[in-house]
Amino acid sequence: DQQVKQNSPSLSVQEGRISILNCDYTNSMFDYFLWYKKYPAEGPTFLISISSIKDKNEDGRFTVFLNKSAKHLSLHIVPSQPGDSAVYFCAASSGGGADGLTFGKGTHLIIQP
Amino acid sequence: DSGVTQTPKHLITATGQRVTLRCSPRSGDLSVYWYQQSLDQGLQFLIQYYNGEERAKGNILERFSAQQFPDLHSELNLSSLELGDSALYFCASSVGGLANEQFFGPGTRLTVL
Repeated sequence: DQQVKQNSPSLSVQEGRISILNCDYTNSMFDYFLWYKKYPAEGPTFLISISSIKDKNEDGRFTVFLNKSAKHLSLHIVPSQPGDSAVYFCAASSGGGADGLTFGKGTHLIIQP
Repeated sequence: DSGVTQTPKHLITATGQRVTLRCSPRSGDLSVYWYQQSLDQGLQFLIQYYNGEERAKGNILERFSAQQFPDLHSELNLSSLELGDSALYFCASSVGGLANEQFFGPGTRLTVL
């Protein structure tokens, strides 16, 4: 039973445009959500997070939106740059992350020049 | 560089064998988490240690065990290996025991032949 779902295995976006990566979750106990970025042969790198008490968090080119009623979150990258090409994982936790993070299967973002 | 180190980088072994994966957390981090990433799966949480004590267990098989030593490094022991155990194994660390943001090492790629 997949509690965190990323339904798009890959996404191709032109450089300079907006990239929107989506994530859905089923567990209503999740109260903290994170996005990780992963390059080949490296471990995931923390990108941005959001608590369930907020609906938006921004950090430079990256913005995460949370819609709790729809159990949906999205990551917006504006403008997209070639270095953004990577696999993006959505993750969720409850109770302060005491039981580890629950990850989605990832979306491979490809930025086209 | 996340500051989390994992050794070895690659490991090739045969079915039925036993291996040990090693992880050194970031300086100052007390928690260590182990994750498994199989070919078609996202990252699956295995187990967490906090300051030498087991804190949480995820989808860890009985053939697998872990420990955290007084110097805070951790080892994941995998025994009676099967072909299906071939995967990337990531270690992550965080400052506290209930931290949401975890910093990942580069992973150990295990191949069971």
